[in-house]
Amino acid sequence: DAGITQSPRHKVTETGTPVTLRCHQTENHRYMYWYRQDPGHGLRLIHYSYGVKDTDKGEVSDGYSVSRSKTEDFLLTLESATSSQTSVYFCAISAQWDGNQPQHFGDGTRLSIL
Amino acid sequence: TQLLEQSPQFLSIQEGENLTVYCNSSSVFSSLQWYRQEPGEGPVLLVTVVTGGEVKKLKRLTFQFGDARKDSSLHITAAQPGDTGLYLCAGDLKGGKLIFGQGTELSVKP
Repeated sequence: DAGITQSPRHKVTETGTPVTLRCHQTENHRYMYWYRQDPGHGLRLIHYSYGVKDTDKGEVSDGYSVSRSKTEDFLLTLESATSSQTSVYFCAISAQWDGNQPQHFGDGTRLSIL
Repeated sequence: TQLLEQSPQFLSIQEGENLTVYCNSSSVFSSLQWYRQEPGEGPVLLVTVVTGGEVKKLKRLTFQFGDARKDSSLHITAAQPGDTGLYLCAGDLKGGKLIFGQGTELSVKP
């Protein structure tokens, strides 16, 4: 299995509070991704990174920011959490920017915002 | 806007039955991937199809990419309880960024 660790695995917080999710990889892959998974929507891309300090928006980026200061860590921040951001968040990594290459996923963070 | 329509969303069958899951789009994909996800875990890649008309087999699973590279199907023969899970298709529109279908929740009862 690809070495991807997401933390925390579960979190419950209140509306308006800041939340940071962490993705740590030991594969030295260049590309990292954050997705959210909601019933009826599959996985939707929030942000992705193509190198240290190089990030870009995905299809559902509003209300989220990311940072990547080291190859191995990709952080997702909700500056002021809202109930609509209750979801399961997955981090993924890939070695190349190529649709033929697999993305390897972490086990997810279940985030509940009350 | 959902660019990749996956159907059915739910499927409950008996062990030994055959089934087919479909992914359809109006967009052309350079490749398409199929993933399987179990509860509490992330998706795991099953196969990638690249060429229009391509067929790949993985034991009892057969994957097909449409000739126009706009659609794909997953066929499972003689389903077993171990096949239970969420199946996701994901299309690559422009290298690297994947568009996922809504997923098919498969339940195979003994």
